[in-house]
Amino acid sequence: DSGVTQTPKHLITATGQRVTLRCSPRSGDLSVYWYQQSLDQGLQFLIQYYNGEERAKGNILERFSAQQFPDLHSELNLSSLELGDSALYFCASSPRDRGGAGSYEQYFGPGTRLTVT
Amino acid sequence: GQSLEQPSEVTAVEGAIVQINCTYQTSGFYGLSWYQQHDGGAPTFLSYNALDGLEETGRFSSFLSRSDSYGYLLLQELQMKDSASYFCAVSGDYGQNFVFGPGTRLSVLP
Repeated sequence: DSGVTQTPKHLITATGQRVTLRCSPRSGDLSVYWYQQSLDQGLQFLIQYYNGEERAKGNILERFSAQQFPDLHSELNLSSLELGDSALYFCASSPRDRGGAGSYEQYFGPGTRLTVT
Repeated sequence: GQSLEQPSEVTAVEGAIVQINCTYQTSGFYGLSWYQQHDGGAPTFLSYNALDGLEETGRFSSFLSRSDSYGYLLLQELQMKDSASYFCAVSGDYGQNFVFGPGTRLSVLP
């Protein structure tokens, strides 16, 4: 158990709908990262927040948005869903905001499996 | 941008040693990480190198050469439970992506 929690575990929805995925980081971790993992795209970095501020952005679609709240939990909002958005969405947390000297570990939650039908 | 290359598959027998290579191209570099992911599971952290050289953690070691943009993960005394996918990942400059490689699927045979 990494200490990172994600809800829900599974989500089935229809095309065109909007969903919200929730992540609670490990106690004390200020960074939250969101990743999308699909069979054909591998593990893709979406976005990072550190202590409430956006820190880095990856290949996140305009239909997707995220935020980190004052209690450090984060939500990933996916709208106008398409079949291709079906994937496993991971949240990870870290006490640091980026790499550099010293250890740089990201702790992954169990993921949310999204199925768009 | 950033890109990483690693072999897609590696097969070895129990007790053997295997090395998984990773080469990267990045416009900024802070460090190279390695993660293990079992089928159906979440990635778990194995090691991180920010400086050149070898880092050892039990049966696993990781090496980095910044001048060659190259690193590897060395797994010793392989066990069946080591069968999994292994990902290298680069953390770039502040504000840039955290990029994972395509992953190497390791199969450990009895």
